[in-house]
Amino acid sequence: DTAVSQTPKYLVTQMGNDKSIKCEQNLGHDTMYWYKQDSKKFLKIMFSYNNKELIINETVPNRFSPKSPDKAHLNLHINSLELGDSAVYFCASSPTVQGTVSGYTFGSGTRLTVV
Amino acid sequence: TQLLEQSPQFLSIQEGENLTVYCNSSSVFSSLQWYRQEPGEGPVLLVTVVTGGEVKKLKRLTFQFGDARKDSSLHITAAQPGDTGLYLCAGGSGYALNFGKGTSLLVTP
Repeated sequence: DTAVSQTPKYLVTQMGNDKSIKCEQNLGHDTMYWYKQDSKKFLKIMFSYNNKELIINETVPNRFSPKSPDKAHLNLHINSLELGDSAVYFCASSPTVQGTVSGYTFGSGTRLTVV
Repeated sequence: TQLLEQSPQFLSIQEGENLTVYCNSSSVFSSLQWYRQEPGEGPVLLVTVVTGGEVKKLKRLTFQFGDARKDSSLHITAAQPGDTGLYLCAGGSGYALNFGKGTSLLVTP
């Protein structure tokens, strides 16, 4: 049983489209995250939710909108996709907001390609 | 944002060799973590170090946290092809981890 699962694994879409990536964790963790990994493998925090409440919103364009219907799910919706949005997006979770101590469990990523 | 610098960026060695990779920052961290990422997968947590000077061992991997809690190293003894991957250090004192850019390790038979 996958601990943090993301769908889809691959997403190829045209510029201007709107797309969503879904994430679910079955670990009972309180906190979930979205990270973006660029072509140079640099992982950058985008958003963090604790018990469905937004606690981190880095300088991400407002075309990106996270939604957390419950603490086990954190979805990412992207409007008006641009070429520069092409990257691998990772969902992660940690037991509490103190994930910097307990560590994160990552999903296997969604490779988004905008053409 | 607390920056983490990792070196070397790339490392290619033969099976059986030893290696050390480094993670440095000008900031003090309450804890540092090391992850390994394989192609097509997410990072997997290897270890968390929390005390300055702490040394932790995980089979052939030895992790050290600097006395001032600004840097860390990962030493691999007798590397094997299965050790191939991207090694990431991460630290944070707030609500999210900041990651270094990683060391990409290739171990050839």
